[in-house]
Amino acid sequence: DSGVTQTPKHLITATGQRVTLRCSPRSGDLSVYWYQQSLDQGLQFLIQYYNGEERAKGNILERFSAQQFPDLHSELNLSSLELGDSALYFCASSKTGDEDTEAFFGQGTRLTVV
Amino acid sequence: AQSVAQPEDQVNVAEGNPLTVKCTYSVSGNPYLFWYVQYPNRGLQFLLKYITGDNLVKGSYGFEAEFNKSQTSFHLKKPSALVSDSALYFCAVSRRAGGYQKVTFGIGTKLQVIP
Repeated sequence: DSGVTQTPKHLITATGQRVTLRCSPRSGDLSVYWYQQSLDQGLQFLIQYYNGEERAKGNILERFSAQQFPDLHSELNLSSLELGDSALYFCASSKTGDEDTEAFFGQGTRLTVV
Repeated sequence: AQSVAQPEDQVNVAEGNPLTVKCTYSVSGNPYLFWYVQYPNRGLQFLLKYITGDNLVKGSYGFEAEFNKSQTSFHLKKPSALVSDSALYFCAVSRRAGGYQKVTFGIGTKLQVIP
């Protein structure tokens, strides 16, 4: 158990809908990352937060947004969903978010868009 | 720019034999290198990292990795493979870019240990 909690584990929704994925980082970790894993794209970095502030942006679509709350949990919002958004979405956390620190991953949310 | 290459989609090894999972990287400046493992239906788990110092890094579950600066490689190794080592292995490179951490993962190598 990595200590990172993601909910829900599975989500099935229709095209055009909006969903929210939730992540609670490990106790004491200030940085949260979101990743998308699909068969054809591999593991893609979406966005990073540190202590409530956005720190880095990766390949995140404009239809997606995220935030980190004062209690350090984070939410990833996906809207106007398309079939191609079906993937595993991982949240990870680390103490500092610095380049020499490892990340701890949650078990992921499997999103299926039908 | 930075990149990670894992040239083998799959590696098959017999139980008890040594295993190697290959990784090469490209990054400007000093690299920070990581290996993660992903078991089916699970998130990635940190195995080991190279920051600086000794080129041979020891990690969890008996794994180790050798940093080779001249060959820009960071191959993952284990002296004796177990069936339970069968999983997907990811190499990653990290650096500071524009004041923040930039991490790039390889596409992953599936390790199959045959009993």
